[in-house]
Amino acid sequence: QQQVKQSPQSLIVQKGGISIINCAYENTAFDYFPWYQQFPGKGPALLIAIRPDVSEKKEGRFTISFNKSAKQFSLHIMDSQPGDSATYFCAASKGSGAGSYQLTFGKGTKLSVIP
Amino acid sequence: KAGVTQTPRYLIKTRGQQVTLSCSPISGHRSVSWYQQTPGQGLQFLFEYFSETQRNKGNFPGRFSGRQFSNSRSEMNVSTLELGDSALYLCASSLVRQGGNTEAFFGQGTRLTVV
Repeated sequence: QQQVKQSPQSLIVQKGGISIINCAYENTAFDYFPWYQQFPGKGPALLIAIRPDVSEKKEGRFTISFNKSAKQFSLHIMDSQPGDSATYFCAASKGSGAGSYQLTFGKGTKLSVIP
Repeated sequence: KAGVTQTPRYLIKTRGQQVTLSCSPISGHRSVSWYQQTPGQGLQFLFEYFSETQRNKGNFPGRFSGRQFSNSRSEMNVSTLELGDSALYLCASSLVRQGGNTEAFFGQGTRLTVV
């Protein structure tokens, strides 16, 4: 049972374009939704995160849009650059702040930004 | 501030052997989680430790075990290695924030190859 579904698996975007990655979740107990960026040979790095009481969060060129009723959230990368080429993972957790902490990840999206 | 340190970075083991991986969390972080990353299954939760206690365990066989020491350092052990255990093993260090978001920071991982 895949609790967090991520699409697309791979994405090719022109430099300066907008990259959009989508995720859908099933468990309504999830209350924290981070995105991670992973370069080859490195561990995932926290990029940006959102809680379900907020519909949008922006940090620099990265924006998360969140639709609680549809149980969907997405990452938008504006003005995409070749340095953004990496694998992106959406994730979800429940009960953050107390108790056991566990992330459920999507399968990942390999983003390639071409000059 | 030092990040999450995992040792060793690379390991090659033979089927049937056992292996121990080590993780030193960020100073002050008492929660340590372990994840297995493979191309087919993506990132999967193994277990989480907090103050030397295992609080949660993923859906992995009993060959996978772990422990946490009083200084928050953690080890995971895999016994009777199988070819399918070949993966990148990631450790995540978290600062539990009461009433706030718990952010997980990952190490670079240990690449285990079973031959």
